[in-house]
Amino acid sequence: DQQVKQNSPSLSVQEGRISILNCDYTNSMFDYFLWYKKYPAEGPTFLISISSIKDKNEDGRFTVFLNKSAKHLSLHIVPSQPGDSAVYFCAASGTNAGKSTFGDGTTLTVKP
Amino acid sequence: NAGVTQTPKFQVLKTGQSMTLQCAQDMNHNSMYWYRQDPGMGLRLIYYSASEGTTDKGEVPNGYNVSRLNKREFSLRLESAAPSQTSVYFCASSEVRWGWGTDTQYFGPGTRLTVL
Repeated sequence: DQQVKQNSPSLSVQEGRISILNCDYTNSMFDYFLWYKKYPAEGPTFLISISSIKDKNEDGRFTVFLNKSAKHLSLHIVPSQPGDSAVYFCAASGTNAGKSTFGDGTTLTVKP
Repeated sequence: NAGVTQTPKFQVLKTGQSMTLQCAQDMNHNSMYWYRQDPGMGLRLIYYSASEGTTDKGEVPNGYNVSRLNKREFSLRLESAAPSQTSVYFCASSEVRWGWGTDTQYFGPGTRLTVL
């Protein structure tokens, strides 16, 4: 039973447009959510996170939205740049849920 | 401050050979992890260590053993390599202590392993 799901394996957007990456979770014990970015031949790197006490967190061009009732979070990238092309992993953890559970990732391609 | 380092970066093994993947972190983190990533798939947890002296199985532990040598180092051993273990292996660390804190993980660059 996959507790964190990223239902879109890939996403392609035009440079300058908005990229929206989605993630769903099933475990109600999760209270902290993270996005990681991974370039080919490199390890994943932490991008942005959100606690369940918030519904939005911004960091520059990146915004994460959390809808607890729907058990859904999304990552918005505005404006998208070719350098954002990478695999994005959603992860969830919690005080009582322990270590992170990762989704399978979404490959984002931003076309010039 | 090197973060998380892994050695080797690449390795080719024959079926049945053994090897140890090394991982070290210099961030004084309590928890360390080993993942594998197969083509087109996400990160699957092999083993983790919540603190020095403890290790636990993750999602896909069969065929692997681990050692938390000290707070800095966490090694992964393949006793008898099989072609199904061809993958990219990532080590990660985080400062979380079980029961509190958030699990932001810091990853190494990966080891690309091919088993023939």
